[in-house]
Amino acid sequence: DAGVIQSPRHEVTEMGQEVTLRCKPISGHNSLFWYRQTMMRGLELLIYFNNNVPIDDSGMPEDRFSAKMPNASFSTLKIQPSEPRDSAVYFCASSLGGRTEQYFGPGTRLTVT
Amino acid sequence: QKEVEQNSGPLSVPEGAIASLNCTYSDRGSQSFFWYRQYSGKSPELIMSIYSNGDKEDGRFTAQLNKASQYVSLLIRDSQPSDSATYLCAVIGGADGLTFGKGTHLIIQP
Repeated sequence: DAGVIQSPRHEVTEMGQEVTLRCKPISGHNSLFWYRQTMMRGLELLIYFNNNVPIDDSGMPEDRFSAKMPNASFSTLKIQPSEPRDSAVYFCASSLGGRTEQYFGPGTRLTVT
Repeated sequence: QKEVEQNSGPLSVPEGAIASLNCTYSDRGSQSFFWYRQYSGKSPELIMSIYSNGDKEDGRFTAQLNKASQYVSLLIRDSQPSDSATYLCAVIGGADGLTFGKGTHLIIQP
């Protein structure tokens, strides 16, 4: 079975550019999570969706960040405009919902110069 | 502020010995507890989940939960060099997102 799929795996962009990260959750999972990992702050929850509806976006750092889930098999995390401090690894995870096991995708390593 | 605390290590254990990893959490309402393993440059990989007090065993891994003490641990028996990684403790409290500790770096010495 395919796991969580993320694209791109690596993204290098210049400050001020728009960045879009993509995620396809495990088929049948109805909860989707976006996390960010940095050396300083570790893994942090940005936002999560349940049945395609955003439930908690309190972890989104600022208005430059937005996330959508137009259907059960696709989600995007957009940063506009990007800044060097956004450089991190962004992970998408999915679960069967509730407070159950979450499975992570391979991540997108974002570098903003 | 929900917090999950782990000793960052490194924790060095001889091959074949038992590795013991510990975690404490601040949110007394937490209900679900997980251990993830993360190799350098890779994504977190779920290795254990535990939801009720006591021990849960899966192969060489045993997770232990004590809600009264707000304490979770992971034991790895017969440690192998391939177990060398960072182990992340994660907790779900009032909402469904995971709160992670910073991780413990485990080194298994051949």
